[in-house]
Amino acid sequence: ETGVTQSPTHLIKTRGQQVTLRCSSQSGHNTVSWYQQALGQGPQFIFQYYREEENGRGNFPPRFSGLQFPNYSSELNVNALELDDSALYLCAIPGTGPGELFFGEGSRLTVL
Amino acid sequence: SQQGEEDPQALSIQEGENATMNCSYKTSINNLQWYRQNSGRGLVHLILIRSNEREKHSGRLRVTLDTSKKSSSLLITASRAADTASYFCATLYNQGGKLIFGQGTELSVKP
Repeated sequence: ETGVTQSPTHLIKTRGQQVTLRCSSQSGHNTVSWYQQALGQGPQFIFQYYREEENGRGNFPPRFSGLQFPNYSSELNVNALELDDSALYLCAIPGTGPGELFFGEGSRLTVL
Repeated sequence: SQQGEEDPQALSIQEGENATMNCSYKTSINNLQWYRQNSGRGLVHLILIRSNEREKHSGRLRVTLDTSKKSSSLLITASRAADTASYFCATLYNQGGKLIFGQGTELSVKP
């Protein structure tokens, strides 16, 4: 158990809709990262938040946005959903080693 | 896009056998990590090897790193059915930066 909780675990949306995914940790870390994992692929970095500000972003369009709250919980928002957005979305907090991550169990998004 | 490549993409062995997975990457790294993922679930950190280390052990896991060849291998000895999972290598290029994951090796250990 990493103490990282994500919700919802599964959801289905249709193209063009918007979705919000949530992440929280028991220990309240000031850094949180989000990754997208398509079926059969490794996770891809979306962005990272540090003390409520985005401080790193992968190759994802602006319709992927995030928030980090004072209690260090976090949200990933995706607007104008596309079929290719179907994936497992993973939230992660820092582990003990440099760059090491503790992941949540993910939110499985299906876009129809 | 992912910069790591892993092989094999899939590996099927019998319980008790050893499993070896390989990972290659493209640029200089700070460290390399291996993660395990049970079907459709979150990733679990297994082991980290720094760029100035050549080999590291943790229980039944042995990781090697060859920075001249930009490659790493993960060996699982005396495999068990419970080791069935996908295994990913991930590289860290600068302190505090993002992890770049390979596409993974799907390991199946048959009882």
